[in-house]
Amino acid sequence: EDQVTQSPEALRLQEGESSSLNCSYTVSGLRGLFWYRQDPGKGPEFLFTLYSAGEEKEKERLKATLTKKESFLHITAPKPEDSATYLCAVDSGYALNFGKGTSLLVTP
Amino acid sequence: DTAVSQTPKYLVTQMGNDKSIKCEQNLGHDTMYWYKQDSKKFLKIMFSYNNKELIINETVPNRFSPKSPDKAHLNLHINSLELGDSAVYFCASSPSGKALGTEAFFGQGTRLTVV
Repeated sequence: EDQVTQSPEALRLQEGESSSLNCSYTVSGLRGLFWYRQDPGKGPEFLFTLYSAGEEKEKERLKATLTKKESFLHITAPKPEDSATYLCAVDSGYALNFGKGTSLLVTP
Repeated sequence: DTAVSQTPKYLVTQMGNDKSIKCEQNLGHDTMYWYKQDSKKFLKIMFSYNNKELIINETVPNRFSPKSPDKAHLNLHINSLELGDSAVYFCASSPSGKALGTEAFFGQGTRLTVV
């Protein structure tokens, strides 16, 4: 059975303090590793898909990387508006299987 | 235009009632989903559906049933509501449930409270 584990559960950063979120996964065959952002009271918003080890994708202050066992979401010089819950998911073949998320708070 | 829309956004009802949540997508996608997000924010798949196949997560009680009048709509019917059904329910869609690496697009959620 596919498993997705995210760490840490919660992370508090000062504005400008770079850090990384971790997503460890176990799948029988990777069909895609997905990162989403979720703001309070809203649905998850798609950020990235990664398909193979070594792949990297960037969007503004976010950079996602992938190895055979885990993915990292690097946040460079975060701003308060980056505060949200970040969700990682793998494609289980019929739907996305999510981890429990990392709640990120960036303070001014 | 909203890509995936759900109604209602909030639903408060008594135990034992039957209720429905509607979902519509205007993306032309083939596959739609229902997810449940509990109080700890864990997002769990309930159903995956396209016009050929319904896949049900085995942990979902049979009081829950998806109904699709057409390709753009997937409604969620819940019978005999229980306190434990209180959660946020998300509808989502993707171009195809079988395509490699297909991201899903989510609605804004329906917060169901059973009292």
